[in-house]
Amino acid sequence: DGGITQSPKYLFRKEGQNVTLSCEQNLNHDAMYWYRQDPGQGLRLIYYSQIVNDFQKGDIAEGYSVSREKKESFPLTVTSAQKNPTAFYLCASSKPISNNEQFFGPGTRLTVL
Amino acid sequence: AQSVSQHNHHVILSEAASLELGCNYSYGGTVNLFWYVQYPGQHLQLLLKYFSGDPLVKGIKGFEAEFIKSKFSFNLRKPSVQWSDTAEYFCASSFRNTGKLIFGQGTTLQVKP
Repeated sequence: DGGITQSPKYLFRKEGQNVTLSCEQNLNHDAMYWYRQDPGQGLRLIYYSQIVNDFQKGDIAEGYSVSREKKESFPLTVTSAQKNPTAFYLCASSKPISNNEQFFGPGTRLTVL
Repeated sequence: AQSVSQHNHHVILSEAASLELGCNYSYGGTVNLFWYVQYPGQHLQLLLKYFSGDPLVKGIKGFEAEFIKSKFSFNLRKPSVQWSDTAEYFCASSFRNTGKLIFGQGTTLQVKP
């Protein structure tokens, strides 16, 4: 089955630790995205990547970093600089940039203790 | 800045009632518009989309939406809701050739059996 996988589903970390969230897709999509979902705020774009080895900041990139070394993978690191990291994180992908329909993964719920 | 606004944050309906969820976007140029749904415990998935053409678009599960350019609106409708429509609904807009989606705050729909 084609789709987007995110792991783990739940993640707990101590304050001050960096943590990396995984996102893999086998849809052969060029573009990938990371969103943060908080209650009452919808989804906010953290980072996106249109092609391998290239990525751009979204609206709330501070305290996060990404890499795009392979087409299938777009990991997100939540650093200790992120002031309020506890949230639900969603990864998405789409075909070339002109087609905006995005497909979403199941999400990772990160709790920082 | 471009934005999307959803009028209703929490809607409670009885089964068979009609549904209309409001969505307004701020950008005056060419836009693509989407409604996504997030059922409890499931992936965010696309309900319907508007790129161009007929402003009345039909989606899955009996949902439809009407694009009214003069009102910057893209309201979601369903004539008769079911208990299984209980979910969170997100309106989103994007701007051609950018690939970025701007999401509204979301509307939680609760349908009572």
